[in-house]
Amino acid sequence: QQPVQSPQAVILREGEDAVINCSSSKALYSVHWYRQKHGEAPVFLMILLKGGEQKGHEKISASFNEKKQQSSLYLTASQLSYSGTYFCGTEGGDSGGYQKVTFGTGTKLQVIP
Amino acid sequence: NAGVTQTPKFQVLKTGQSMTLQCAQDMNHEYMSWYRQDPGMGLRLIHYSVGAGITDQGEVPNGYNVSRSTTEDFPLRLLSAAPSQTSVYFCASSQSILGHGYTFGSGTRLTVV
Repeated sequence: QQPVQSPQAVILREGEDAVINCSSSKALYSVHWYRQKHGEAPVFLMILLKGGEQKGHEKISASFNEKKQQSSLYLTASQLSYSGTYFCGTEGGDSGGYQKVTFGTGTKLQVIP
Repeated sequence: NAGVTQTPKFQVLKTGQSMTLQCAQDMNHEYMSWYRQDPGMGLRLIHYSVGAGITDQGEVPNGYNVSRSTTEDFPLRLLSAAPSQTSVYFCASSQSILGHGYTFGSGTRLTVV
């Protein structure tokens, strides 16, 4: 069963912040985050491991709450280049164990001038 | 270093035909997976492999076969194409699931008529 992402879509003006959430009904070992631009392949952003630290680079960061089986992706001071569809992928939990990653249905983010 | 290479990029099949989608990676990654992407459904796992000679089913394996005779190659076979298999197919590979994200190929857009 796929993890649940929210919101399904969001529109931001340049410079605004956004949070994308990902949740699972079962225990998770790791959470991946990817961004996909229209007509292209998904691109890996970061991975968060159970017991690991919050990760991030530049103005995109993420957290992982193991007890709640939730992860959040934070985009601060958004830029036009941040537009795309964001997917979380979970390992363990709903995906059933190690070695296979199950993706959510995605959050479409549009940044406008 | 080509990364993950998928062929063909586009394909039209008639119902009942069979074909093989090719996937090759030159990064010596142990893990490889096949996903299909349909509007509103996100990325759904078809089959995955944790090494040469080892494969397992994902969320939507029916109608597809895989084999992994080498580390580099992970072909996906459609046994008898159906219109429901019209989709974009992505192959992805990872050095290791724990701590590493997936590198995706550019995708194969398949239409079954």
